[in-house]
Amino acid sequence: EIVMTQSPATLSVSPGERATLSCRASQSVSSNLAWYQQKPGQAPRLLIYGASTRATGIPARFSGSGSGTEFTLTISSLQSEDFAVYYCQQYNNWPPLTFGQGTKVEIK
Amino acid sequence: QVQLVQSGAEVKKPGASVKVSCKASGYTFTSYYMHWVRQAPGQGLEWMGIINPSGGSTSYAQKFQGRVTMTRDTSTSTVYMELSSLRSEDTAVYYCAREFLDIVATMAGFDYWGQGTLVTVSS
Repeated sequence: EIVMTQSPATLSVSPGERATLSCRASQSVSSNLAWYQQKPGQAPRLLIYGASTRATGIPARFSGSGSGTEFTLTISSLQSEDFAVYYCQQYNNWPPLTFGQGTKVEIK
Repeated sequence: QVQLVQSGAEVKKPGASVKVSCKASGYTFTSYYMHWVRQAPGQGLEWMGIINPSGGSTSYAQKFQGRVTMTRDTSTSTVYMELSSLRSEDTAVYYCAREFLDIVATMAGFDYWGQGTLVTVSS
């Protein structure tokens, strides 16, 4: 099973600032990585797939990068609606599909 | 528009079973695999398994083997997830999620999710 590790667990950022979230895989997942955003009481929403491709309707301030075992989600200028928990997920080698434990982006 | 509508919250006693439904609309039901993901209170996301709505074939996470059964009813465009021998650790929100296919029709995450079904296991 591929273990996904996200860091940091919590990120405190001021509105308008840049946020950088990391995700590491225990073995290579190529570019088969997705990012999700989850707000309290809501289902997750697909942001990025293929490590760097934005899903339909996702604003350009969200960008993904990386391949192999190291990945980054960057939010270029945080808006109020971006404060949420973010999860990475690998789909390169499954079952099982595996998620990171999440990074909470909170208001500084 | 694509919608996945799940059944309502359940309260079960330890040892019982629960069956959660997920009704799909707005797309061709048999064209997309469906997954189940759960989330314990305050915790992360955990993949449980997948069902092919076309043929009904399934694959389950090893953790749930022997306790989970996923089925579908093509006449109502509904998938079901049944979890048996419930214990307190199974208290969670259960989601169905449609498999997203990228431009080359390869699995690339989940693009639509149900609203979630809270299952509480308590004596």
